[in-house]
Amino acid sequence: TQLLEQSPQFLSIQEGENLTVYCNSSSVFSSLQWYRQEPGEGPVLLVTVVTGGEVKKLKRLTFQFGDARKDSSLHITAAQPGDTGLYLCAGGAVGSQGNLIFGKGTKLSVKP
Amino acid sequence: EAQVTQNPRYLITVTGKKLTVTCSQNMNHEYMSWYRQDPGLGLRQIYYSMNVEVTDKGDVPEGYKVSRKEKRNFPLILESPSPNQTSLYFCASSSRTSGGRWDEQFFGPGTRLTVL
Repeated sequence: TQLLEQSPQFLSIQEGENLTVYCNSSSVFSSLQWYRQEPGEGPVLLVTVVTGGEVKKLKRLTFQFGDARKDSSLHITAAQPGDTGLYLCAGGAVGSQGNLIFGKGTKLSVKP
Repeated sequence: EAQVTQNPRYLITVTGKKLTVTCSQNMNHEYMSWYRQDPGLGLRQIYYSMNVEVTDKGDVPEGYKVSRKEKRNFPLILESPSPNQTSLYFCASSSRTSGGRWDEQFFGPGTRLTVL
């Protein structure tokens, strides 16, 4: 069974702090996606990373795809209360046709 | 407005009473999928469909059925629901380019199912 391990599971920080969320696997992924989910809603895509070593920036969020395409990270600079939510990584392993796997998520709480 | 709709949003039922959760998308997407989300277990894929009349099992298909007779609709059927199927269910759709790259999954608002 292909797995995506996310860490940490929970993160509670003060406004202005930096944080990093990790997504790791023993499998190689053709691409990895990061989603954010708010209570009572479905996940919403933040970014897709495709190339090993790729770095993408979305305002205060920086996403990195590992060189071997087995891991990814999400770094948030100067977190704000509006960043509070559940962050999920997702990917399809190389060779899989339609099976999309999600990590268990990181629940982030940013306190003012 | 581009969207994925699910109905019902909330459902309480009893063990063994067949039910269907509908899912419809208006984006002409080929790919559709069903997930369940449980505390501590995350989002797990139940079934997916690459196109009309093409469906395949995800990671947790037991106890569920799906059909894809039209491109826009992908209903989830529980023939004989059991309490362990109490969960939050999400339908999603996307286009999918070739070469293994995943396009954005558009998720519905979720269906909270309770089986007593």
